[in-house]
Amino acid sequence: GAVVSQHPSRVICKSGTSVKIECRSLDFQATTMFWYRQFPKQSLMLMATSNEGSKATYEQGVEKDKFLINHASLTLSTLTVTSAHPEDSSFYICSASGLRTDTQYFGPGTRLTVL
Amino acid sequence: AQSVTQPDIHITVSEGASLELRCNYSYGATPYLFWYVQSPGQGLQLLLKYFSGDTLVQGIKGFEAEFKRSQSSFNLRKPSVHWSDAAEYFCAVGAGAAGNKLTFGGGTRVLVKP
Repeated sequence: GAVVSQHPSRVICKSGTSVKIECRSLDFQATTMFWYRQFPKQSLMLMATSNEGSKATYEQGVEKDKFLINHASLTLSTLTVTSAHPEDSSFYICSASGLRTDTQYFGPGTRLTVL
Repeated sequence: AQSVTQPDIHITVSEGASLELRCNYSYGATPYLFWYVQSPGQGLQLLLKYFSGDTLVQGIKGFEAEFKRSQSSFNLRKPSVHWSDAAEYFCAVGAGAAGNKLTFGGGTRVLVKP
């Protein structure tokens, strides 16, 4: 099956710094990637959808200047949390789909802790 | 707008017993339905999906789900639960197979008693 990786798996940063999370499709070309956020014991909330080579489409209420998404190649999308604050602490999960996939494939997630 | 409801937040089941997780959806067109499982601190693994055709779909790990359009439901079942099935289960609905965004239900946490 299709494999999606995320790096790092865990990151701890100080308030005010920026953090970049990578999402890679390892064995297929991901034309579309999705970024989700999951708070403890809660469901996944879609943050944004990105198509390769295009600007991301953000869900209502998600600050595009705070959560910068880049999808510059068919195998890599990045999420940068700018000027992170403790309330940004969460589990961030990406998923990817391609022309030859019939569903989204999810990465293992990144645990972000902002001190 | 599409939405998914999983009425049961927690379910506790004995090992070897049967399991059924409920999922109700609201969607204006033909839904694409999914069940995912998430172990603690992990990403999501697809158990099964329904796009069209036979309304009873088989998935991995011995799971199956039945699509009932009249009830707007897509319940997940397993005849005999194993301790390794303890996890969080999410039902999701999408507008298409792969390139469309998913809306997730709130999840059901399954605890398995020995």
